[in-house]
Amino acid sequence: ETGVTQTPRHLVMGMTNKKSLKCEQHLGHNAMYWYKQSAKKPLELMFVYSLEERVENNSVPSRFSPECPNSSHLFLHLHTLQPEDSALYLCASSQGGGPGANVLTFGAGSRLTVL
Amino acid sequence: KNEVEQSPQNLTAQEGEFITINCSYSVGISALHWLQQHPGGGIVSLFMLSSGKKKHGRLIATINIQEKHSSLHITASHPRDSAVYICAVKGSSTSGSRLTFGEGTQLTVNP
Repeated sequence: ETGVTQTPRHLVMGMTNKKSLKCEQHLGHNAMYWYKQSAKKPLELMFVYSLEERVENNSVPSRFSPECPNSSHLFLHLHTLQPEDSALYLCASSQGGGPGANVLTFGAGSRLTVL
Repeated sequence: KNEVEQSPQNLTAQEGEFITINCSYSVGISALHWLQQHPGGGIVSLFMLSSGKKKHGRLIATINIQEKHSSLHITASHPRDSAVYICAVKGSSTSGSRLTFGEGTQLTVNP
């Protein structure tokens, strides 16, 4: 248990479905992140929330919609995805989301398959 | 060309061998991270360093800022060390929390 819990661990959805990924951190951190990991590619930062405010949005398509209702929870709402969106989606948290270098604590990831 | 390059991409070793994974980067950085990813996806942060050397158990990480190079060493390797090892850097001119990641090195340690 890393202190960052992601659900579901596996998700298969059709292109017309709407689903959500959930992330919860139990570490008292104040910054949370969504990363995408595709096969044989480096991790890509999608979104950063610091103190529940979105501070980075890395040109992610609007079919991905993040939500951070409080500092412990982060959601990624998915709708009308494409097969190329199939990937491992990783949530992370840290203490401090500003310019300083921070140690990230990652969740185990949600493996998404879009049919 | 990725700003962070790791070598080798794949590495197979026998139990007990000394292992080195290399990371080169092309930008000025404020910090460099070494991460470990086991099958199933979970990522664990091993080290964060901005100069010199850090040691934790059988793992040693070094960084040479002038040469823009870092190495991760594993002494007395064990099959449970089998994982993907990822290097990531925080650019010195980067605001916010953006890290640039390498593609990872797949390590397999055979018994």
